[in-house]
Amino acid sequence: EAGVAQSPRYKIIEKRQSVAFWCNPISGHATLYWYQQILGQGPKLLIQFQNNGVVDDSQLPKDRFSAERLKGVDSTLKIQPAKLEDSAVYLCASSLEPGVHEPQHFGDGTRLSIL
Amino acid sequence: QQPVQSPQAVILREGEDAVINCSSSKALYSVHWYRQKHGEAPVFLMILLKGGEQKGHEKISASFNEKKQQSSLYLTASQLSYSGTYFCGTETGNQFYFGTGTSLTVIP
Repeated sequence: EAGVAQSPRYKIIEKRQSVAFWCNPISGHATLYWYQQILGQGPKLLIQFQNNGVVDDSQLPKDRFSAERLKGVDSTLKIQPAKLEDSAVYLCASSLEPGVHEPQHFGDGTRLSIL
Repeated sequence: QQPVQSPQAVILREGEDAVINCSSSKALYSVHWYRQKHGEAPVFLMILLKGGEQKGHEKISASFNEKKQQSSLYLTASQLSYSGTYFCGTETGNQFYFGTGTSLTVIP
């Protein structure tokens, strides 16, 4: 089966600019996650969707980050405006069934550099 | 709320064993284990559920002490391919947190 697809793989922008990332989960997977992974740290969950509803967005900086999952399939994560501390790898993951009792399958991530 | 892992780093020779621990301050519903190689995405190893159910690879073993809110990952007869950073992930209610990570290096 095809894995989780993410684009772009790399993105370089200047601070205060905006950026968007796209994720297409594995076909049929109900749950989709966005993580931020800063170099040397573990992934930090930003938002979790179950179908097209939000399950948890408690760690999403809502003043600058937004995410949507229209039609319960693919998803976009946006940062506007970007800050230097947003430099990180943004990982998307999906799992088959609702809840976190299923393995999460990760995409290759988008490496974001803020100048 | 981020679970704490120990040790932070470990170096093994091929064939040696290792134990990685994960400890949470909150009651846990499940614990996940993932391995991440440098520059790559995390890869699923195992899930341990409250009540004793486990899902994962046959060659990986782990334990989950619900009362102590701890989990341990056991790596036996290590191979060079085991090198990477190991993360536990803990489910507390509807929230999920990855741990601080353990860097494992296996040398010939």
